[in-house]
Amino acid sequence: KQEVTQIPAALSVPEGENLVLNCSFTDSAIYNLQWFRQDPGKGLTSLLLIQSSQREQTSGRLNASLDKSSGRSTLYIAASQPGDSATYLCAVRGGGSEKLVFGKGTKLTVNP
Amino acid sequence: GAGVSQSPSNKVTEKGKDVELRCDPISGHTALYWYRQSLGQGLEFLIYFQGNSAPDKSGLPSDRFSAERTGGSVSTLTIQRTQQEDSAVYLCASSPSGAVYEQYFGPGTRLTVT
Repeated sequence: KQEVTQIPAALSVPEGENLVLNCSFTDSAIYNLQWFRQDPGKGLTSLLLIQSSQREQTSGRLNASLDKSSGRSTLYIAASQPGDSATYLCAVRGGGSEKLVFGKGTKLTVNP
Repeated sequence: GAGVSQSPSNKVTEKGKDVELRCDPISGHTALYWYRQSLGQGLEFLIYFQGNSAPDKSGLPSDRFSAERTGGSVSTLTIQRTQQEDSAVYLCASSPSGAVYEQYFGPGTRLTVT
């Protein structure tokens, strides 16, 4: 059974800092990995999708890496801003299943 | 273009009542998913549709939960005889067919069972 863990559960940083969020998964047989952002009381916004054959994806100030063999992904946020404050969720898809298996998220607070 | 929409956005119901939650996927997306997000449990998969068929229902927590999809588009999640533990946010997602595509989520329906 796939299990996804995100560390840390919460993170508070000053504005402008670069930061890394971590995601690990137990079964390396995945199709892809998706990073989401969730604002309080809102749905999920997809940030980045990394296919199993890829090592990283970039979008603006965000960079996500994937090391499938070790079961790890990181989300790097450069020059953080207060507007980046949200919960970041990692989810994997694979193992012959169409469903996403989610971690419990990292709650990020960027202080002005 | 239009994203995934869900209705109602909020639903308060009494224990024992039946509820129906609706999801309108992105036009042309053949795959549709229901997830549930509850405090302490995180996001859990409920059911997956490909077209009107549901090849994976493994996440439905009990036989009080059912879902259908018609015309390869709109889906309805029905919870019969609601219990307080059913209180959660129910999220719907859609994607084109194929595991390589990302899933796009709707805003969710917050269900409160009193």
